[in-house]
Amino acid sequence: DSGVTQTPKHLITATGQRVTLRCSPRSGDLSVYWYQQSLDQGLQFLIQYYNGEERAKGNILERFSAQQFPDLHSELNLSSLELGDSALYFCASSVVGGARETQYFGPGTRLLVL
Amino acid sequence: LAKTTQPISMDSYEGQEVNITCSHNNIATNDYITWYQQFPSQGPRFIIQGYKTKVTNEVASLFIPADRKSSTLSLPRVSLSDTAVYYCLVVQEPGAGSYQLTFGKGTKLSVIP
Repeated sequence: DSGVTQTPKHLITATGQRVTLRCSPRSGDLSVYWYQQSLDQGLQFLIQYYNGEERAKGNILERFSAQQFPDLHSELNLSSLELGDSALYFCASSVVGGARETQYFGPGTRLLVL
Repeated sequence: LAKTTQPISMDSYEGQEVNITCSHNNIATNDYITWYQQFPSQGPRFIIQGYKTKVTNEVASLFIPADRKSSTLSLPRVSLSDTAVYYCLVVQEPGAGSYQLTFGKGTKLSVIP
């Protein structure tokens, strides 16, 4: 158990809908990362937050957005969902988000768009 | 932005040493290389991290040659429980406080009894 929690574990929705994925980092960690993992793309970095502020941005679509709240939990919002958005979404956390830091991954949210 | 390349899959017998290489071009002098292990339906888990030469911990070794264009994860005497997907990660700092994280596509290691 990494100490990172993600909810829900599974999510089934329809195209065009909007969903919110939630992540709680390890106790004491200030930085949160979001990743998308699909069969053909591997692990794709989406975005990183540190203490409520966006720190790094990867291949995140404009239909996706994220935020980190004062209590350090984070939410990833996916809107206008398409079939291709079906994937595993992982959240990870680290202490301060430095390049050398170990990231601790949550168990993931499996999203299925029908 | 670094591009990472790993073999898609590897097979090994139990008790053998396994070496998985990740190629990473455009890596800067201050970029670190990290390896993660992932089991089915779980999030990736940190294995080892290095910057140059050789790093060893209780589960693996990491070899990085002087030109730093590749890195090799070495797993000594693998067991069936080492069957997993292994990812290399390059974290780059193109500017102060900004990061680029590039995972390889992963190498699926199958350990055979």
